[in-house]
Amino acid sequence: AQKITQTQPGMFVQEKEAVTLDCTYDTSDPSYGLFWYKQPSSGEMIFLIYQGSYDQQNATEGRYSLNFQKARKSANLVISASQLGDSAMYFCAMSRYNNNDMRFGAGTRLTVKP
Amino acid sequence: EPEVTQTPSHQVTQMGQEVILRCVPISNHLYFYWYRQILGQKVEFLVSFYNNEISEKSEIFDDQFSVERPDGSNFTLKIRSTKLEDSAMYFCASSVPPGAGNNQPQHFGDGTRLSIL
Repeated sequence: AQKITQTQPGMFVQEKEAVTLDCTYDTSDPSYGLFWYKQPSSGEMIFLIYQGSYDQQNATEGRYSLNFQKARKSANLVISASQLGDSAMYFCAMSRYNNNDMRFGAGTRLTVKP
Repeated sequence: EPEVTQTPSHQVTQMGQEVILRCVPISNHLYFYWYRQILGQKVEFLVSFYNNEISEKSEIFDDQFSVERPDGSNFTLKIRSTKLEDSAMYFCASSVPPGAGNNQPQHFGDGTRLSIL
């Protein structure tokens, strides 16, 4: 069975600083995908970044990067140059090789301080 | 940019009534999903749908739930006899088929907030 763990219920970061949100996972599948989603207070789910289990390079999307350490089963999200608009819940998620059954972590609430 | 649309944005229903939540996935997507998020909790997978049949379902998706693609564009979630604990945000998502060895991101709609009275 898949399991996603986000151990930080809340994080604070100063505007313009970088922040790392932790995510560890457990799966027996050899092929899987790892995702990060942002959920602002308005409630929608916004896809941020994706990492495939066979990808050699860490994924990057603008200010977002995913620090993928396969042996440690971790997929931490790094947000560089934080902005006030980054304040939101962030969910780590994993899907199986055939893209079904995406499981989410409990989420981390990020607050960016001015 | 194409997006997943969900209607209604908020549905209030009496306990025991049937409710249908509607979704229009992104047009070239072939995989469809429903998730729910009880207030303040994590997002939970309900069901995935591909090629006009259920592909996977979670333990939450019991006999009171059903999904349908009644035409070429809509994807619906029906809850037959609603209970108080069905109150949650329900998200529809869609994705393109996975590539060779790669998963594809699921794009979410803005959700339908279901309130059972």
